[in-house]
Amino acid sequence: EAQVTQNPRYLITVTGKKLTVTCSQNMNHEYMSWYRQDPGLGLRQIYYSMNVEVTDKGDVPEGYKVSRKEKRNFPLILESPSPNQTSLYFCASSLSQGNIQYFGAGTRLSVL
Amino acid sequence: DQQVKQNSPSLSVQEGRISILNCDYTNSMFDYFLWYKKYPAEGPTFLISISSIKDKNEDGRFTVFLNKSAKHLSLHIVPSQPGDSAVYFCAASAGSYGQNFVFGPGTRLSVLP
Repeated sequence: EAQVTQNPRYLITVTGKKLTVTCSQNMNHEYMSWYRQDPGLGLRQIYYSMNVEVTDKGDVPEGYKVSRKEKRNFPLILESPSPNQTSLYFCASSLSQGNIQYFGAGTRLSVL
Repeated sequence: DQQVKQNSPSLSVQEGRISILNCDYTNSMFDYFLWYKKYPAEGPTFLISISSIKDKNEDGRFTVFLNKSAKHLSLHIVPSQPGDSAVYFCAASAGSYGQNFVFGPGTRLSVLP
């Protein structure tokens, strides 16, 4: 089954404790992206990757890092989480930039 | 400033009637538009698309209309069903220019039995 898998689905952490949210897709898609969803703001892009070893900032990249060492994986790293990063996060993938994206089920993060 | 706007945060419709969800955009370079549907505790799923060379696209009960001069698109659901109750996101991109999608804030649709 074609899918985008995110882990964990729920995470509660404390300020400053490094965390990683994993994302994996099995569709051999070149393009992958991370979004955060906040009330009244919709989905805002954090980082995206056009292909292996090619990543770029989206609209709200501050406080986040990503890497794309393999085509299928695109982890999101929060080196020093802060309460303003409490949000619902989605990973997505598509054949290429500008194509229909397939989303993971989401990761709800709370930073205390 | 939001480039893609969905000015109705929520909408309630009776089962069997038409649901009309609206989306406005400001960037005249946008040439490809998508609608996504999102249920609670799930990721958004693609619903229907339209490119700027068309003004209408239909898929079953779902029709998207694009008015380029008004920078406005709308999603019509006819007839509405309780299973259509979800949050609907409009997204736009200037695909010809290699740009990423920009999403609207979403509209929560409730279809009442």
